Amino acid sequence: AQSVSQHNHHVILSEAASLELGCNYSYGGTVNLFWYVQYPGQHLQLLLKYFSGDPLVKGIKGFEAEFIKSKFSFNLRKPSVQWSDTAEYFCAVLRNSGYALNFGKGTSLLVTP
Amino acid sequence: NAGVTQTPKFRVLKTGQSMTLLCAQDMNHEYMYWYRQDPGMGLRLIHYSVGEGTTAKGEVPDGYNVSRLKKQNFLLGLESAAPSQTSVYFCASSYSAHEQFFGPGTRLTVL
Repeated sequence: AQSVSQHNHHVILSEAASLELGCNYSYGGTVNLFWYVQYPGQHLQLLLKYFSGDPLVKGIKGFEAEFIKSKFSFNLRKPSVQWSDTAEYFCAVLRNSGYALNFGKGTSLLVTP
Repeated sequence: NAGVTQTPKFRVLKTGQSMTLLCAQDMNHEYMYWYRQDPGMGLRLIHYSVGEGTTAKGEVPDGYNVSRLKKQNFLLGLESAAPSQTSVYFCASSYSAHEQFFGPGTRLTVL
């Protein structure tokens, strides 16, 4: 069973639209949470991460994510997308008992001019 | 700092051939990982290492072997390549079991 679920596989938005990508995980206990972005033809880059503290985390390029522990969710948001945000976005979870990240299947975002 | 580098960038193999993918990092990271990325599947962990001389299996280890003889290098071997191993392979490293830094990837095609 998939332990990290990303609800949307493909998202198409117009520039300036707001973005929210869902991510849920099924692990119990303490987790560290990440969003990575992969621009076309490039490797994965970290957008933002949550380890502890304020559940609303801000990342690069105007992205933010909110950790809601009761819902096992870590949704990614951006108020106004740009064409350059076209990319694939991956949610990842690291259990404190583990060493390696567990990735969701990714969401492909296309932003149209 | 070069970060995480991978060689080669592209490779085409015939079924049954062998090859080794090299990952190198210059950040003195203890942890290194090999993932494969397939369309619609996200990234899946093949093997990982938590230090020089140690390796462990990930989610999809069959058909692959790894070695970590030096802290900065993590090798992924395919002894007898199969078409199912056609994929993009990413190496990553991290200082602890937290944020991982990824290499540029190796695109492998097995005919």
